[in-house]
Amino acid sequence: KNQVEQSPQSLIILEGKNCTLQCNYTVSPFSNLRWYKQDTGRGPVSLTIMTFSENTKSNGRYTATLDADTKQSSLHITASQLSDSASYICVVRGGQGAQKLVFGQGTRLTINP
Amino acid sequence: DADVTQTPRNRITKTGKRIMLECSQTKGHDRMYWYRQDPGLGLRLIYYSFDVKDINKGEISDGYSVSRQAQAKFSLSLESAIPNQTALYFCATSEAAGGPETQYFGPGTRLLVL
Repeated sequence: KNQVEQSPQSLIILEGKNCTLQCNYTVSPFSNLRWYKQDTGRGPVSLTIMTFSENTKSNGRYTATLDADTKQSSLHITASQLSDSASYICVVRGGQGAQKLVFGQGTRLTINP
Repeated sequence: DADVTQTPRNRITKTGKRIMLECSQTKGHDRMYWYRQDPGLGLRLIYYSFDVKDINKGEISDGYSVSRQAQAKFSLSLESAIPNQTALYFCATSEAAGGPETQYFGPGTRLLVL
């Protein structure tokens, strides 16, 4: 069964600290993996996309990694800011014809001053 | 102006009522999607459309119907609303296959069925 599991479900850290969010998937065949940021009351916005051949990709203070062998991805946030408080959703595209999108349940991140 | 808009943003309705949620986009994308989001669950696909005359069921289409009136508009209908359809509904668009197929989401419609 194609699944995407994210951990932790929620996380609280102090402003300025770093954190890492995890995503494990079983989607096969794999096409790409995307991390979205969803602010409260808003729709998700794409942060980064990773294909099979990419191990690391950065977008400002966000760095995503992908290990296609173990089917794991992580999103590392450096020097967190209050505006990083949001849900972070991992989405894997794959399946036959790369037409299936499987969404993780998200990690709720809270940054405290 | 927002590229993907949804109306209404909030709606309260009663069991058995028919309601329609509307989505419009100015991105010129061919592909449009309707999702629902429930607490603790990932976004789940209800219906999607790759072109004006194309309608496809997603994983949870029962109790819903859609209409793709034009490239820019995609409506979701609940024929007879029930309480377990209380959720946050998102419309999304993407460009055709061949590119990264980034999905662009609307702001969401919060629906409460009493």
